[in-house]
Amino acid sequence: QKEVEQDPGPLSVPEGAIVSLNCTYSNSAFQYFMWYRQYSRKGPELLMYTYSSGNKEDGRFTAQVDKSSKYISLFIRDSQPSDSATYLCAMSAMDSSYKLIFGSGTRLLVRP
Amino acid sequence: DSGVTQTPKHLITATGQRVTLRCSPRSGDLSVYWYQQSLDQGLQFLIQYYNGEERAKGNILERFSAQQFPDLHSELNLSSLELGDSALYFCASSHTGGEGTEQYFGPGTRLTVT
Repeated sequence: QKEVEQDPGPLSVPEGAIVSLNCTYSNSAFQYFMWYRQYSRKGPELLMYTYSSGNKEDGRFTAQVDKSSKYISLFIRDSQPSDSATYLCAMSAMDSSYKLIFGSGTRLLVRP
Repeated sequence: DSGVTQTPKHLITATGQRVTLRCSPRSGDLSVYWYQQSLDQGLQFLIQYYNGEERAKGNILERFSAQQFPDLHSELNLSSLELGDSALYFCASSHTGGEGTEQYFGPGTRLTVT
């Protein structure tokens, strides 16, 4: 079993829809949670960064962390065709390296 | 633009060869991470350097090695290349490499081994 599980999609939604992306994890030592957006053949771009449980909002993006359920979510409001990309969740523990453990990514397609 | 630069963008080489990938971190960042992204394995952590010193190793093959230089740029050396080494190699940097620091990724180097 992988440490971080993420539905690969693809997820296809109409423009303007609210998108919900999710990851589950098994390692209770994870404390830092991130969402990255990756366009085809490009480097991952950091969207959201949260520590421990709770919500964080930035523009059209909201990240939620539920450590009791080992479940994190990213919500995208008023989705745009330019949001079409692969979304990767990533996590790290408070160990010596803070290396990131990634989910496999969810491919999102926003239809005009 | 994350501020992390990687060269070259593309590399095509033959099996058994050796290549060097280069990364320059964002200005002020002391820590560099190397990741490999392949279709079947996703993004996998390889190795981390902090201010010139190796800090952590992940699933890095013995044929691979890295170093970080005094000017903080880093190089990843891949030797005795195999077809399965074909992948995207990303470098990321963070300010301290410790608690509470975000990692910013470069554009990657696409390695094709033929």
